[in-house]
Amino acid sequence: EDKVVQSPLSLVVHEGDTVTLNCSYEVTNFRSLLWYKQEKKAPTFLFMLTSSGIEKKSGRLSSILDKKELFSILNITATQTGDSAVYLCAVDRVGYGGSQGNLIFGKGTKLSVKP
Amino acid sequence: NAGVTQTPKFQVLKTGQSMTLQCAQDMNHNSMYWYRQDPGMGLRLIYYSASEGTTDKGEVPNGYNVSRLNKREFSLRLESAAPSQTSVYFCASSETLFWSRAEAFFGQGTRLTVV
Repeated sequence: EDKVVQSPLSLVVHEGDTVTLNCSYEVTNFRSLLWYKQEKKAPTFLFMLTSSGIEKKSGRLSSILDKKELFSILNITATQTGDSAVYLCAVDRVGYGGSQGNLIFGKGTKLSVKP
Repeated sequence: NAGVTQTPKFQVLKTGQSMTLQCAQDMNHNSMYWYRQDPGMGLRLIYYSASEGTTDKGEVPNGYNVSRLNKREFSLRLESAAPSQTSVYFCASSETLFWSRAEAFFGQGTRLTVV
């Protein structure tokens, strides 16, 4: 069965620290990997990665995909209290159907940034 | 700029009661989804609708029914609520089932408690 595993499940850091969140996957017919940030309510889109080795960057956040080793990392530099959230990784598969639908989510990493 | 709108935001039900969660999107998206999110379990797909007129079971469909009323609206019904259905429910929509082409948008969630 396809699966997406995120680590760590939770993380506490102080403002200014740099953090790395991990996402590994075992998925047939991989199409892309997506990162979402979930604060109190709806998940909001961060990045979509389809090619290995190409870093996506948005401000202090960056992400990269390794399709050979089947993982992705999300880096946050100079963390701020506003970065506190659950970060979700999801993998999109070619085609659709089946009980898992098209998109498989990991359980998320809860990041807490202390002042 | 409403995006995906879910109602209600909160609901408390007694065991055995029924209710319908409403979801509407104004982005002309073809695909819509219902997820539930439980602590430590991540997002799990309940049902999805690839396009108007079609619905399919996701990973955890038991105890739920859905209706894709038209292109905009996708409702989730609990016929006889059980305490195990206490969860936060998210509706989402995307242009197609292939989330790689465009990001998916989530509603703000419905926190449901069954007592």
